Amino acid sequence: DAGVTQSPTHLIKTRGQQVTLRCSPKSGHDTVSWYQQALGQGPQFIFQYYEEEERQRGNFPDRFSGHQFPNYSSELNVNALLLGDSALYLCASSLDPGLTYEQYFGPGTRLTVT
Amino acid sequence: DAKTTQPPSMDCAEGRAANLPCNHSTISGNEYVYWYRQIHSQGPQYIIHGLKNNETNEMASLIITEDRKSSTLILPHATLRDTAVYYCIVRGHGSSNTGKLIFGQGTTLQVKP
Repeated sequence: DAGVTQSPTHLIKTRGQQVTLRCSPKSGHDTVSWYQQALGQGPQFIFQYYEEEERQRGNFPDRFSGHQFPNYSSELNVNALLLGDSALYLCASSLDPGLTYEQYFGPGTRLTVT
Repeated sequence: DAKTTQPPSMDCAEGRAANLPCNHSTISGNEYVYWYRQIHSQGPQYIIHGLKNNETNEMASLIITEDRKSSTLILPHATLRDTAVYYCIVRGHGSSNTGKLIFGQGTTLQVKP
């Protein structure tokens, strides 16, 4: 049983560019959350997708957007990249987490903005 | 969600019990205490959670004080592979909760041979 997978593993972009990160949830999970983790910090919640809609959003600008597909996989898009967007981006999946307990995290995508 | 406070770092000898404390003095009655850990360069991993009773699973034990204002995660026989950042998180349950996790700085546990 595959766990949460993310692609790509590493990515280098230039300021002002756009990036798309991808996440496939654990089999049977329908909810995907995205987190940003800067070096030396704990992960920060970006947003969560459930039933193909954004259900909750953290304190991130509109440059951060997402999508969930009918197969529950998800994308995180970041426009107009800034140096400060360099971080590890984590995807977590679960069954409707308001009702269940565990969230499973993927290995993350390391984004470097130069 | 209530805020948590953890010591920034701790050491533990291999084979000994590791006891990681967490303060959550503003926890409300319907909020649970969760513990996750993050081994270097990996995503966080769920360890255990509890409401008010002590809990134990194959990974760890969770001791919550009677007033629920603090808790302790216990790794009974720490190994070198337990070296990681441990996060204590408080979150609510129920259909009105999305399960958003609010991570603090966590405690870096270094298990030494």
